[in-house]
Amino acid sequence: DIVMTQSPDSLAVSLGERATINCKSSQSVLYNSNNKNYLAWYQQKPGQPPKLLIYWASTRESGVPDRFSGSGSGTDFTLTIDSLQADDVAVYYCQQYSTTPFTFGPGTKVHIK
Amino acid sequence: QITLKESGPMLVKPTQTLTLTCTFSGFSLTTLGVAVGWIRQPPGKALEWLGLIYWDDDKRYSPSLRTRLTITKGTSENQVVFTMTNVDPMDTATYYCAHRGRSGNTYHHFFDFWGQGTLVTVSS
Repeated sequence: DIVMTQSPDSLAVSLGERATINCKSSQSVLYNSNNKNYLAWYQQKPGQPPKLLIYWASTRESGVPDRFSGSGSGTDFTLTIDSLQADDVAVYYCQQYSTTPFTFGPGTKVHIK
Repeated sequence: QITLKESGPMLVKPTQTLTLTCTFSGFSLTTLGVAVGWIRQPPGKALEWLGLIYWDDDKRYSPSLRTRLTITKGTSENQVVFTMTNVDPMDTATYYCAHRGRSGNTYHHFFDFWGQGTLVTVSS
């Protein structure tokens, strides 16, 4: 199985500041055939299901604010939230969809400082 | 608009079989590339991918749970049935069904629409 790790476990950020979340996969999720990274990011607020934010490591899902951005390639990825809003308080998960089982990271909790 | 909803028992006894139904709308599980996945989340913990069923009835399961899981299409065209045998208190979790994500004209294994989830407690 591909093991996904995230850092930090928890992150306190002031309103309007940047939040940066890291995700690492135990194997590369980059397919050379199409040069795509099979990596997605989700946001989960308390009592709600996860919401897809980003796929292909950097493609924002329709309707997701542009303050959310994804970057990285191979085994190392980053989710950046520019100008954190109160509504962004949530747990963020990365997921690799390169190889079954399509594993998730342990999550990073973002809260307001 | 795509929607999914999980239904089933809230409480199951250890060693029993858990059966959940995912009822969906806004897409067809006969369309090329479409799939419905199952993911669970123990209280306060992370998401765990369990398996999925494809439009052509192919299935994939988590290796760690493969012997206990079955995912099938339901008797109604808009339903998927998830079965887990020999449940244990460690299986206590919110169980989600989700729609396989679409990028352009192709489907991939991220999930773009999720049900609200159903909390299943395993306890005697």
